[in-house]
Amino acid sequence: KAGVTQTPRYLIKTRGQQVTLSCSPISGHRSVSWYQQTPGQGLQFLFEYFSETQRNKGNFPGRFSGRQFSNSRSEMNVSTLELGDSALYLCASSLGGGRTEETQYFGPGTRLLVL
Amino acid sequence: GESVGLHLPTLSVQEGDNSIINCAYSNSASDYFIWYKQESGKGPQFIIDIRSNMDKRQGQRVTVLLNKTVKHLSLQIAATQPGDSAVYFCAENEAGNQFYFGTGTSLTVIP
Repeated sequence: KAGVTQTPRYLIKTRGQQVTLSCSPISGHRSVSWYQQTPGQGLQFLFEYFSETQRNKGNFPGRFSGRQFSNSRSEMNVSTLELGDSALYLCASSLGGGRTEETQYFGPGTRLLVL
Repeated sequence: GESVGLHLPTLSVQEGDNSIINCAYSNSASDYFIWYKQESGKGPQFIIDIRSNMDKRQGQRVTVLLNKTVKHLSLQIAATQPGDSAVYFCAENEAGNQFYFGTGTSLTVIP
């Protein structure tokens, strides 16, 4: 099976712009979670989508949003970019259907640089 | 909030030695734990997981130990190899909630 894929892999934006990142989960996985990873920090949870519905949400401002499509592919959007949004954005997918189906598998990430 | 902490930010070991990476968690209701390995420029890679009804689980060259009494998790890597050099994260999960990750331990294997 193909793993989790994320596009684009690298992105450079300027402050005030917006950005959309895409994630395709492992085939059959219905849950997609997004994380932000910055130097010196662990992975900070953004949100999780399951069957096109946001199931969990982290403590990020409303500039960060996401959605999931019927094929389980997910996108996250960051509006009005700030310098501090520079990070590696990781997507993880899991089967998501129950307590034994939550093992998350990560994609390679999208490296976002905000200038 | 939740916290998942690592005792040591860096660890250096000789090739062939065993490595032990530790992790403390704070949520006593967490019942599922995962160890991930992250190499430079890559996303975290699943290594091994354990549920709270177990205190030990073994994989290929790796063993995870769970001590629920003191809320401590460890990852043991046997016969550490240069390819094991990476950052290792533990993650905890309580049913229905998000995963919480530690900040990571950087393992360097000295040839």
